[in-house]
Amino acid sequence: QVQLVESGGGLVKPGGSLRLSCAASGFTFSDYYMSWIRQAPGKGLEWVSYISSSGSTIYYADSVKGRFTISRDNAKNSLYLQMNSLRAEDTAVYYCAREWGDTAMPIDDYWGQGTLVTVSS
Amino acid sequence: EIVMTQSPATLSVSPGERATLSCRASQSVSSNLAWYQQKPGQAPRLLIYGASTRATGIPARFSGSGSGTEFTLTISSLQSEDFAVYYCQQYNNWPPRTFGQGTKVEIK
Repeated sequence: QVQLVESGGGLVKPGGSLRLSCAASGFTFSDYYMSWIRQAPGKGLEWVSYISSSGSTIYYADSVKGRFTISRDNAKNSLYLQMNSLRAEDTAVYYCAREWGDTAMPIDDYWGQGTLVTVSS
Repeated sequence: EIVMTQSPATLSVSPGERATLSCRASQSVSSNLAWYQQKPGQAPRLLIYGASTRATGIPARFSGSGSGTEFTLTISSLQSEDFAVYYCQQYNNWPPRTFGQGTKVEIK
């Protein structure tokens, strides 16, 4: 069955960096686009970033553009999110999600359990 | 950016009753709308995509309707496991892909 397991979250000071990972199994990772989506404590869902199956197409939310970098290693079935210049407002649970369907209109069909990132001094 | 607005914020329903949740888009998203269910401490789960197609394994009591800017998620007879927060998401015009703020379905 499809499994997505995030790791790498933790407590970091404002201005610091963190690298999140998402290990995928149960499907052919290299065939699927992927996204990161976050949820601040007690708040709603916010899409963060997207990467195509080959890694050639990448998008970011304006709130993280220039600070976050999404990448993937298809040989390792893994998705990453490098987060730099972290701010208090980046505090959230970060989910990785598999994208399914039309390339132009993909759907987040499976989500990991999330990893908590806390930005605080 | 397309703004998604859900109503009501909280819906109090008795088990066995029908629940109707609404989602409105600030501009047309055609039928490219999904609904997700999230329980406390869990990841969101895809319920509906294409505005009205149930995802794999989703019970028939969940149904979606609408197109353009107005959408509805109906739960025909609420079960105890259905009390959760529900989010709509448009994937027609992105980036960014945007979510509604959520509707909490609670026990009356």
